[in-house]
Amino acid sequence: AQKVTQAQTEISVVEKEDVTLDCVYETRDTTYYLFWYKQPPSGELVFLIRRNSFDEQNEISGRYSWNFQKSTSSFNFTITASQVVDSAVYFCALIGFGNEKLTFGTGTRLTIIP
Amino acid sequence: GAGVSQTPSNKVTEKGKYVELRCDPISGHTALYWYRQSLGQGPEFLIYFQGTGAADDSGLPNDRFFAVRPEGSVSTLKIQRTERGDSAVYLCASRGSGQLSGANVLTFGAGSRLTVL
Repeated sequence: AQKVTQAQTEISVVEKEDVTLDCVYETRDTTYYLFWYKQPPSGELVFLIRRNSFDEQNEISGRYSWNFQKSTSSFNFTITASQVVDSAVYFCALIGFGNEKLTFGTGTRLTIIP
Repeated sequence: GAGVSQTPSNKVTEKGKYVELRCDPISGHTALYWYRQSLGQGPEFLIYFQGTGAADDSGLPNDRFFAVRPEGSVSTLKIQRTERGDSAVYLCASRGSGQLSGANVLTFGAGSRLTVL
């Protein structure tokens, strides 16, 4: 069975602060993929990043960065210098190689206060 | 189309009624998925189509739920004898055939919000 835990239900920070969203996962698959999706008020899930289980290098994309640590089964997401447009619900998700079912966490609602 | 289109965006119905939710995937995408998102929860897998056939329907909660994709493009999720517990946002997603299974980058629609009174 696979499980994704996002322990932070809601986070509020003041604009320009940095914020980290936590994601911890469980899987018996040896090869798997991890994702982060953003869900703004419009409702669509917007893809942010995919990381495979063999690649533990951290990744940076503009103000976004991701820290994948296989030893602790974590895939955390940091937003640097947050902006009001970052306000959304963020989901971490997991899928095993060869599988077609994404397992999502319960999401973290991020509010950036202007 | 440019994105995944879902209709209706909102549907309010009475307990016991039948509803249909439609999904128009990105043109050319062979794989199509339905997920259900209850309030305060993450999306949960319902069913996956590869072409016209349902390759995995293990997420459908019971036999009141059924989905079709007769021509390998548009899909319809059908719910019979709706119950209040069916109230949720139903999300559709698609991906192209060139992407590896298991490395899915799904493109999601905005969802159909179903409210059963």
